[in-house]
Amino acid sequence: DVKVTQSSRYLVKRTGEKVFLECVQDMDHENMFWYRQDPGLGLRLIYFSYDVKMKEKGDIPEGYSVSREKKERFSLILESASTSQTSMYLCASRMLRGGDEQYFGPGTRLTVT
Amino acid sequence: GESVGLHLPTLSVQEGDNSIINCAYSNSASDYFIWYKQESGKGPQFIIDIRSNMDKRQGQRVTVLLNKTVKHLSLQIAATQPGDSAVYFCAENQAGTALIFGKGTTLSVSS
Repeated sequence: DVKVTQSSRYLVKRTGEKVFLECVQDMDHENMFWYRQDPGLGLRLIYFSYDVKMKEKGDIPEGYSVSREKKERFSLILESASTSQTSMYLCASRMLRGGDEQYFGPGTRLTVT
Repeated sequence: GESVGLHLPTLSVQEGDNSIINCAYSNSASDYFIWYKQESGKGPQFIIDIRSNMDKRQGQRVTVLLNKTVKHLSLQIAATQPGDSAVYFCAENQAGTALIFGKGTTLSVSS
């Protein structure tokens, strides 16, 4: 079974802190994704990566950056956390570029105070 | 069974009824569509997918229908059970891009 793991289930940070959210997949998938999920807005794509050291902006990249130094790991970085970034963050991975199921991690509930 | 119009955020059904969840997609070039189920506190889980060269696909108790003319996707759940209670998302994909998700429909099943 594909497993996508996220470093924390719950996280509380202060405004202005630098926050790292880590995602690891164990199936040698090339593509990885970061979404945030908010009530009434569904899942919105922040960033994605088709391969190591590659990254593409999604629909809402502002305030975020990403790092993909190894194939199995995709990190989401909040350079200076704000209360508007309080959300559920979901990581996903996919084997092929387009036309295939994305496997999701359990999510990280981030609260910025 | 009970069906709903497009984009309704919630759907309530009785156990044993058939459920129909509808979704409109935005990109006529999308060629892959997928339904996910998300239970409380968990990440989305795959239910069923369909490619644009098909108009119907069946799984275990679930059927997905695709109408490309009106850019409409539906998920039918037969004999709905309490364990089907969750949020259901449709998603579309054009080759080479990430999945784009709809806002989701919360299905509540009462006994």
